[in-house]
Amino acid sequence: SQKIEQNSEALNIQEGKTATLTCNYTNYSPAYLQWYRQDPGRGPVFLLLIRENEKEKRKERLKVTFDTTLKQSLFHITASQPADSATYLCALNTGTASKLTFGTGTRLQVTL
Amino acid sequence: DADVTQTPRNRITKTGKRIMLECSQTKGHDRMYWYRQDPGLGLRLIYYSFDVKDINKGEISDGYSVSRQAQAKFSLSLESAIPNQTALYFCATSDLRSGREGFADTQYFGPGTRLTVL
Repeated sequence: SQKIEQNSEALNIQEGKTATLTCNYTNYSPAYLQWYRQDPGRGPVFLLLIRENEKEKRKERLKVTFDTTLKQSLFHITASQPADSATYLCALNTGTASKLTFGTGTRLQVTL
Repeated sequence: DADVTQTPRNRITKTGKRIMLECSQTKGHDRMYWYRQDPGLGLRLIYYSFDVKDINKGEISDGYSVSRQAQAKFSLSLESAIPNQTALYFCATSDLRSGREGFADTQYFGPGTRLTVL
């Protein structure tokens, strides 16, 4: 069966460190992968998109990698801040009519 | 003003009642989606519409129906609500033109409706 896995346990890191979140998938061949941020009680907000032919994408303090051989994407936040605390979702294009399938998300907590 | 709005934001209802959740957008996008979010299960697609005349079932459409009244409006109905439909519901939009230009259907979400069925 098709599956998208994100670490369900919260990731706790200290301010200033780099946070690394993982998205693994099985039985998909996505054309692209997206990362979203979700704050409690709010809708997800788009952060970054990476295509299957791209290895890495950066935006300010954010970096995403995409390894189609390992079927894995890594999402990095450098110099993390308490304001980065949120749940981060990965989403794959599953190839049918541009629908996205979302992972369950990983909650990041950045402490002082 | 928010680009994607949902009404109501919170709703408590009883089993068997008919409920309608509404979504409006000012982004001019042609594609609209309804998701539900449950703890531990993530976002799951209920229905999606790529234009006014195009309605498609998502992975969990049973017990739900939708109406695309206009490009800007997409409503979700629960014909006879049951307790396991208690969840956070999100509407989202994306832009076909963005898809063609390669932005790959980045989705823009509304603020959500928290629905409780007693």
